Amino acid sequence: DAGVIQSPRHEVTEMGQEVTLRCKPISGHNSLFWYRQTMMRGLELLIYFNNNVPIDDSGMPEDRFSAKMPNASFSTLKIQPSEPRDSAVYFCASSQIPIMNTEAFFGQGTRLTVV
Amino acid sequence: GENVEQHPSTLSVQEGDSAVIKCTYSDSASNYFPWYKQELGKRPQLIIDIRSNVGEKKDQRIAVTLNKTAKHFSLHITETQPEDSAVYFCAARGRGGGADGLTFGKGTHLIIQP
Repeated sequence: DAGVIQSPRHEVTEMGQEVTLRCKPISGHNSLFWYRQTMMRGLELLIYFNNNVPIDDSGMPEDRFSAKMPNASFSTLKIQPSEPRDSAVYFCASSQIPIMNTEAFFGQGTRLTVV
Repeated sequence: GENVEQHPSTLSVQEGDSAVIKCTYSDSASNYFPWYKQELGKRPQLIIDIRSNVGEKKDQRIAVTLNKTAKHFSLHITETQPEDSAVYFCAARGRGGGADGLTFGKGTHLIIQP
């Protein structure tokens, strides 16, 4: 398995533009997590899905952020409109259920820069 | 929700010495505690984990201890080597079921001095 695949690896965009980050979880995993990493705040859980259903989106910072998981093999995180303070590395991770408390595997991340 | 505190934020040790990183958590229902290592520009990767039904786990030079009563857990690295230099994150997962996202500590930048 190629692991969790994220695209793009790097994204530079202008303030106000829409940004879409993509994630393909490991095949067979049915939990998917979006994290944001910054120097100041560390790794923050934004949202997680179980069987394609959003379970907890309390970490999503603002209404400008939205996430979808239309099927078991694809998820998107969208920021509209983007702002410079959204600049961070965004990680997607997946794990397997119903095996209790298993490892979360991270993708390579998307480094977002909003100028 | 869960809150995880991690200390220290930076740790510098001489090569060959031991390093200890400590974390506390707030949710007494948390029952899974992994540790991740993140090298510069790379993704976090699991190095060891412990479940709430054990107090200690060891894997070669790495060990983790868990004190459920005090709600804290620690990572111990012995005989440190230059390749151990990285940022280490502790995490906790609560309520079981595997569906809850991990809550991470802020990370410890471990520096191994030659």
